[in-house]
Amino acid sequence: GQNIDQPTEMTATEGAIVQINCTYQTSGFNGLFWYQQHAGEAPTFLSYNVLDGLEEKGRFSSFLSRSKGYSYLLLKELQMKDSASYLCAVRVYGDYKLSFGAGTTVTVRA
Amino acid sequence: DSGVTQTPKHLITATGQRVTLRCSPRSGDLSVYWYQQSLDQGLQFLIQYYNGEERAKGNILERFSAQQFPDLHSELNLSSLELGDSALYFCASSGSGDTEAFFGQGTRLTVV
Repeated sequence: GQNIDQPTEMTATEGAIVQINCTYQTSGFNGLFWYQQHAGEAPTFLSYNVLDGLEEKGRFSSFLSRSKGYSYLLLKELQMKDSASYLCAVRVYGDYKLSFGAGTTVTVRA
Repeated sequence: DSGVTQTPKHLITATGQRVTLRCSPRSGDLSVYWYQQSLDQGLQFLIQYYNGEERAKGNILERFSAQQFPDLHSELNLSSLELGDSALYFCASSGSGDTEAFFGQGTRLTVV
């Protein structure tokens, strides 16, 4: 299986920047996904990286380094509504499921 | 709205009972995935179907089973329910192996 690690909790101030790291150990890597999940709600797709580098999408950016088994999600200009759990997920070749990390709970404070 | 529909939204049942959770994927998506999310755990993959065939299996208990029908909707059957089966059950769908999965709103199962 895939070993996916991310911090349990992070706190930041409204308007600030937060970086959520994710490390993984797997063979046959075929993509890394970030999802946002508000408590009791469905995960919603944020970003997808399969090649090294930075993908930017509005206030959210995601970075991948396949050689280091490392990704991060960068949230800029934090808003109160960004308070949620952020899930890192990995897919491998020959397998079709997304394997999820335990999630990072981000709390945005005024 | 992700386009994935799950019913029912909430289900309360007693230990030992059997329940069926239903999922309708997004229009055109052939893959359906089932996940379990308990309070103290992350999203645990249960099983995946692709165009009616089982494609991948996770840590799904023998008391649990699933199927995907010709119209591509899927059902997850949970039997001999235990208190520990209380969780959010999510269904997700995707179009092909390289695209993201879209999640339904989940079914909150409470076993009493």
